[in-house]
Amino acid sequence: DAGITQSPRHKVTETGTPVTLRCHQTENHRYMYWYRQDPGHGLRLIHYSYGVKDTDKGEVSDGYSVSRSKTEDFLLTLESATSSQTSVYFCAISESLAGYQETQYFGPGTRLLVL
Amino acid sequence: AQKITQTQPGMFVQEKEAVTLDCTYDTSDQSYGLFWYKQPSSGEMIFLIYQGSYDEQNATEGRYSLNFQKARKSANLVISASQLGDSAMYFCAMRESRNAGNNRKLIWGLGTSLAVNP
Repeated sequence: DAGITQSPRHKVTETGTPVTLRCHQTENHRYMYWYRQDPGHGLRLIHYSYGVKDTDKGEVSDGYSVSRSKTEDFLLTLESATSSQTSVYFCAISESLAGYQETQYFGPGTRLLVL
Repeated sequence: AQKITQTQPGMFVQEKEAVTLDCTYDTSDQSYGLFWYKQPSSGEMIFLIYQGSYDEQNATEGRYSLNFQKARKSANLVISASQLGDSAMYFCAMRESRNAGNNRKLIWGLGTSLAVNP
């Protein structure tokens, strides 16, 4: 258990509404990620963070912004939600397995439906 | 071009039998890592096993083992003695050495759905 929680776990919103998803971790991990998962596309990286206030874009960042003001919290914001952003959103952290090896551990996911 | 290919969209296996889930990858890096994750119907992503490109032995974790064939660029997951609880989606992923900086991203396959029959 990498101590990752996501909130909310489920959300229904309307097109054009701003939405913020929160990822919270308790173990002081430096690297955090936001993914979306859609059928036929697998997991796609939206944004990632490598420290407080250090963030960068992933492969599908259009329409999303992120912020990380504290080590433990990584926020994903949809400025104006669209139906194409209906998806399952996962937060992840990187943790070392042994030596230089590391893997990513995931939060429970947030199901977002944009009507 | 896909960097991670999982050619089996769906697989069936009888309970207590072994099953192999295929994964082939494409990279020009000499150093890389390969991962398998399980996603049951409840939705969480569960890390199963890791194989480093320089690891001489195939990785094993309990009933999971990774059949790593570097020359063929394959990293197949073997589940021995399948259980009903193994029914899930299974994803193969790779991290290339070029992603050892700030963007330590994983490249994902599209997954294989495994159903274990009683």
